[in-house]
Parts: sequence; structure tokens; C-alpha cells
Amino acid sequence: KQEVTQIPAALSVPEGENLVLNCSFTDSAIYNLQWFRQDPGKGLTSLLLIQSSQREQTSGRLNASLDKSSGRSTLYIAASQPGDSATYLCAVNPPPGNTGKLIFGQGTTLQVKP
Amino acid sequence: NAGVTQTPKFRILKIGQSMTLQCTQDMNHNYMYWYRQDPGMGLKLIYYSVGAGITDKGEVPNGYNVSRSTTEDFPLRLELAAPSQTSVYFCASTLTGGTNEKLFFGSGTQLSVL
Repeated sequence: KQEVTQIPAALSVPEGENLVLNCSFTDSAIYNLQWFRQDPGKGLTSLLLIQSSQREQTSGRLNASLDKSSGRSTLYIAASQPGDSATYLCAVNPPPGNTGKLIFGQGTTLQVKP
Repeated sequence: NAGVTQTPKFRILKIGQSMTLQCTQDMNHNYMYWYRQDPGMGLKLIYYSVGAGITDKGEVPNGYNVSRSTTEDFPLRLELAAPSQTSVYFCASTLTGGTNEKLFFGSGTQLSVL
């Protein structure tokens, strides 16, 4: 059974730091991996989607990498800002891949201090 | 463009009461989902639908029912509320469930069963 784990559960950094959030999954048979941002009391917003054939995706200060063979993904945030404070969740799309049914990690809550 | 809209935002139920969580999307998406998120946990899939008239169970369907009479609407019904159903409920949608498609989420319904 596919399991997705995110460590640490919480992270606090000073403004301006570069940081990495980790996501691991137990079964490498995935079709894609998404990183989401969740603000308190709000829904999830998809930040980046990496297809299984891709190694990384970039959007602005965000860069997500995927290593299927080792069951790992990282979300790199450059020059962090207080506005980046939120919970970040990763989710994998397992077989059959065409249903959009995702399996989520527990999330990492990030606090960026001014 | 409203995206995915959920109502109500908050609700308190007594044990044994029933209610319907509403979800509507205006993006003409075929695939819709209901997830629940317990504190400190990832999201778990309750039910999903691949089109009007077609629904299927997810990981945690017990105690819930769904229907999909139109493309736009996907209500979630709780028949006999139990404390274990205290959670935040999210509705989501995607166009065809394809591996290159991001998931769009509503802002959630926070439900407490006392």
C-alpha cells in the first residue's frame, strides 16, 4: 500500500533563508507528484506537478524535484519570505493514473519569521 | 470564475443528525472528489465521481453517501453523524483525471459532531 511521508512536521526559519521540504513515498509506481500549499482556513492550491518522466519543475522561487527510484521528492524554496508561511503537502498519483485519486502526505507547516 | 465552491464553511452537528455538504464547480470538470482532513494528517479520499451519474468509493466511504446528477454539483451526505466524522471536508475537481492535470480545491467545510 502506497504511503506518503513528510518530515519534518513543522519548520521555522528566518526570512531570506533557502529551504528544502521533503516528501517520501513507498511505491515508485506513480504517474505524477504534486506539491500543494494550504493556508489556514483555506483550501489547497497546487504549486507544482511533476510527471513521472520528469526530474524537476520550477515556478518562480519554487523548484520541485522527483527521484522515483528512491521514492523521494523535494520542494526547494529560495529566499524565503513571511508570505511563504503555510502548510505544504505533497501527493502522489498511483496506478491506474487516470483517475486523479491522490495519496497525500501529512504536510510540513512552515513559518518564515521576519 | 468562482472555481470550486463549498457550503457551508462551518457546521456543528449533534450525534445522529444528518446534513449535506454542498460542492459546485463552474469549470466544466468531469472528475470531482471529496476528501477529509483530520488534524495533523493528510487528506483521505471519501468518494469520487468521473461524470454525472457515476460515483465510486474512496479510501474512507463509511458513513457517507454521494450523488452526481449534474456535471457541476457533487453533494456529500452524512446520514447519522458520529464524533469520528469531526473533520475538515474538501471538495476538489479536475477536467479528465489526466496525469498532467492539477487538482482544484474548494475552501473546505469545518464540521464538528458533538
